Amino acid sequence: KAGVTQTPRYLIKTRGQQVTLSCSPISGHRSVSWYQQTPGQGLQFLFEYFSETQRNKGNFPGRFSGRQFSNSRSEMNVSTLELGDSALYLCASSLRTEPYGYTFGSGTRLTVV
Amino acid sequence: DQQVKQNSPSLSVQEGRISILNCDYTNSMFDYFLWYKKYPAEGPTFLISISSIKDKNEDGRFTVFLNKSAKHLSLHIVPSQPGDSAVYFCAASAGGSNYKLTFGKGTLLTVNP
Repeated sequence: KAGVTQTPRYLIKTRGQQVTLSCSPISGHRSVSWYQQTPGQGLQFLFEYFSETQRNKGNFPGRFSGRQFSNSRSEMNVSTLELGDSALYLCASSLRTEPYGYTFGSGTRLTVV
Repeated sequence: DQQVKQNSPSLSVQEGRISILNCDYTNSMFDYFLWYKKYPAEGPTFLISISSIKDKNEDGRFTVFLNKSAKHLSLHIVPSQPGDSAVYFCAASAGGSNYKLTFGKGTLLTVNP
């Protein structure tokens, strides 16, 4: 079966701009979580969506937001980009039945210049 | 406040020997622990997990040990192979309706031929 698909794979943006990242989960998976990976902080939880509702949120500023559509696809938006937002953004989907059910996508590498 | 700690940023072992990756946690609410493996430019891949009701879980060459009293877990890889060279992340979940994973910063394992 197809895995978790994230688009685009790479993105370069300028400070102050906004960006939208997309994630298509594995078919049948209704939970989508987003993580930010940076060299200094490792993987940090951004938020989780299930059935189009945000269920959990990490400690990120309000510039980071997301949404989930009826087909379970999810988007993440970052407004007013800062240099420190440069990171690998990972999406993970699951059936939301067991913790080990997370399957990660390959990520979107965002570079803010 | 880093709730999951991997104190060794890197580890180098010889092919055929044992690799031991360590992880410590501080949150007593964590009841499920996972190890993920990550290659460059790819998302993390689930490796093995353990519930807090167990102290050991084995899957082929991979064994995870959990010491709840010490809030410590370790991943043993025997025998180590060059293809095991990757970054290994320890993650923990508080279970219940919380599907957020808290990750350590990772350990880069290099297995030398």
